[in-house]
Amino acid sequence: EAEVAQSPRYKITEKSQAVAFWCDPISGHATLYWYRQILGQGPELLVQFQDESVVDDSQLPKDRFSAERLKGVDSTLKIQPAELGDSAMYLCASSQPRDPGANVLTFGAGSRLTVL
Amino acid sequence: KNEVEQSPQNLTAQEGEFITINCSYSVGISALHWLQQHPGGGIVSLFMLSSGKKKHGRLIATINIQEKHSSLHITASHPRDSAVYICAAPNFGNEKLTFGTGTRLTIIP
Repeated sequence: EAEVAQSPRYKITEKSQAVAFWCDPISGHATLYWYRQILGQGPELLVQFQDESVVDDSQLPKDRFSAERLKGVDSTLKIQPAELGDSAMYLCASSQPRDPGANVLTFGAGSRLTVL
Repeated sequence: KNEVEQSPQNLTAQEGEFITINCSYSVGISALHWLQQHPGGGIVSLFMLSSGKKKHGRLIATINIQEKHSSLHITASHPRDSAVYICAAPNFGNEKLTFGTGTRLTIIP
């Protein structure tokens, strides 16, 4: 069964360091999302891509966060410098809105970040 | 922005019981998602439905578009069903999802 791949699964870093997460969506999925989920809360959208273009990054803290999807396939989310409050699960998801019959949102396993 | 509310926040039941989790949203939507998240794990999409009812194994999801309400039912519940169940509804016009805060379900053997 096709799945969304994310790495690393776990990352521990010290504050002020840089950290990067990688996501490979399901093949053919044009839409890719990065969500942040703080423990005990629902996911919060950070950025949404349609192919290689950013559709929505209104909730992305752009002073320290950046995201790219250069070839419209895999994507990288970067935090520099990391702060204590960035400790959370970072979830990647993908969907294919052009195919309504297959328009199911599929999540990756997530990358859990701990900032010390 | 779509407001999404779930109830109950926490639910503990005995194995075998019939489980119902409710979700209400404030704005008309094209489809609603039900998601499952195991402790420390990623999220699995259970259902996406826009009308009526869908069934997958012991899971049943229903939606009433007029009342802006959806329910997730689990029949013959099992300890492995213990997880957080989240409903998510798109914001009108841009399909950006608003997530409920989740229902933490614990099934006791």
